[in-house]
Amino acid sequence: GAVVSQHPSRVICKSGTSVKIECRSLDFQATTMFWYRQFPKQSLMLMATSNEGSKATYEQGVEKDKFLINHASLTLSTLTVTSAHPEDSSFYICSARVAQGKNIQYFGAGTRLSVL
Amino acid sequence: ELKVEQNPLFLSMQEGKNYTIYCNYSTTSDRLYWYRQDPGKSLESLFVLLSNGAVKQEGRLMASLDTKARLSTLHITAAVHDLSATYFCAVDFTGTASKLTFGTGTRLQVTL
Repeated sequence: GAVVSQHPSRVICKSGTSVKIECRSLDFQATTMFWYRQFPKQSLMLMATSNEGSKATYEQGVEKDKFLINHASLTLSTLTVTSAHPEDSSFYICSARVAQGKNIQYFGAGTRLSVL
Repeated sequence: ELKVEQNPLFLSMQEGKNYTIYCNYSTTSDRLYWYRQDPGKSLESLFVLLSNGAVKQEGRLMASLDTKARLSTLHITAAVHDLSATYFCAVDFTGTASKLTFGTGTRLQVTL
């Protein structure tokens, strides 16, 4: 199956700093990537949909200025958590949809963000 | 409102027993996915169900989809400890995998 690489797997940062998370589709082109957030023992909540070459579409309640998304190529999307605070600590998961054919999302390994 | 509900939320079962996890959703869809998540890990795809009446089996797990009832089931046969994990269903209400709505998750604990 298709492989989605997410990096880093874990990051610890101080409050007020910014953190960038990368999501790469390794063996396919992904016109659309998705960013999810998961709090402990809860389900996944879609934060935003990232489309190559255009602005991301954010879900209601998600601050676009805080969670910056860039999808510069067909294989890379990045999520930057700006001025992170402890309440941003969470598990962030990206997924990518194959550009043609199957309408299936493939998920990255996730990034555990801890803001001190 | 698009809603996906799973029950039970938590399931403790003994090895060797059978059980079913239910996934109900609020609006018409014929695309449903089941995932497994181990603690601290991301999602592992288990099944993709793309039509009414679809049934798929892998090992001790079997998933089915009834689009008329807006219901999917994940049946566990003769559970083993290795199946302990959290199981999520996700519904594609768009038809193009452009947005998945996840269920609440079912945490399965298989005891010896």
